Amino acid sequence: AQKITQTQPGMFVQEKEAVTLDCTYDTSDPSYGLFWYKQPSSGEMIFLIYQGSYDQQNATEGRYSLNFQKARKSANLVISASQLGDSAMYFCAMSGIIQGAQKLVFGQGTRLTINP
Amino acid sequence: DTGVSQDPRHKITKRGQNVTFRCDPISEHNRLYWYRQTLGQGPEFLTYFQNEAQLEKSRLLSDRFSAERPKGSFSTLEIQRTEQGDSAMYLCASSRTGGRDGYTFGSGTRLTVV
Repeated sequence: AQKITQTQPGMFVQEKEAVTLDCTYDTSDPSYGLFWYKQPSSGEMIFLIYQGSYDQQNATEGRYSLNFQKARKSANLVISASQLGDSAMYFCAMSGIIQGAQKLVFGQGTRLTINP
Repeated sequence: DTGVSQDPRHKITKRGQNVTFRCDPISEHNRLYWYRQTLGQGPEFLTYFQNEAQLEKSRLLSDRFSAERPKGSFSTLEIQRTEQGDSAMYLCASSRTGGRDGYTFGSGTRLTVV
């Protein structure tokens, strides 16, 4: 079974600082994908970044980067130069590619608050 | 491409009533998923369709829950004899491959059972 653990219920960061949101995972599948989603108070889940288990380089998308450490089974999200609009819930999720990526398994989330 | 649409956005119902939610996925996505999210938690998988075939169901999906995807287009999720514990956000997502192109979520239907 796949499991995602996010140990930070809440994070408070000053605007323009970088922030790291932690995510560890557990799976027996040799091939998998890791995702980060942002959920503002309006409720929609916004896809931020993806890392495949066999990708040679860490994923980056604009201000978002994923610090992927396969041996430690961690996939931390780094947001550089945080903005007030980054305040939201952030979810780490995993999908098993071998089974055709049938579903995402989510962590419990981290609430990020950016202070001006 | 207007994204994934869900209707209604909010639903308040009395305990014991039946409710039905609709999801319209992105047109070229053949995979459709339903998730349930309770307050302060991450979304939990309910069921998955590839085209019109329902390929996987979570044990969370009791016999009061049924989902359909006729003709492989839109999907409906029905809850019969609603209970207060059914109060949650119901999220629909669609995907083309389920891989690095991601899963696109709708804005969800928030159900309140009173």
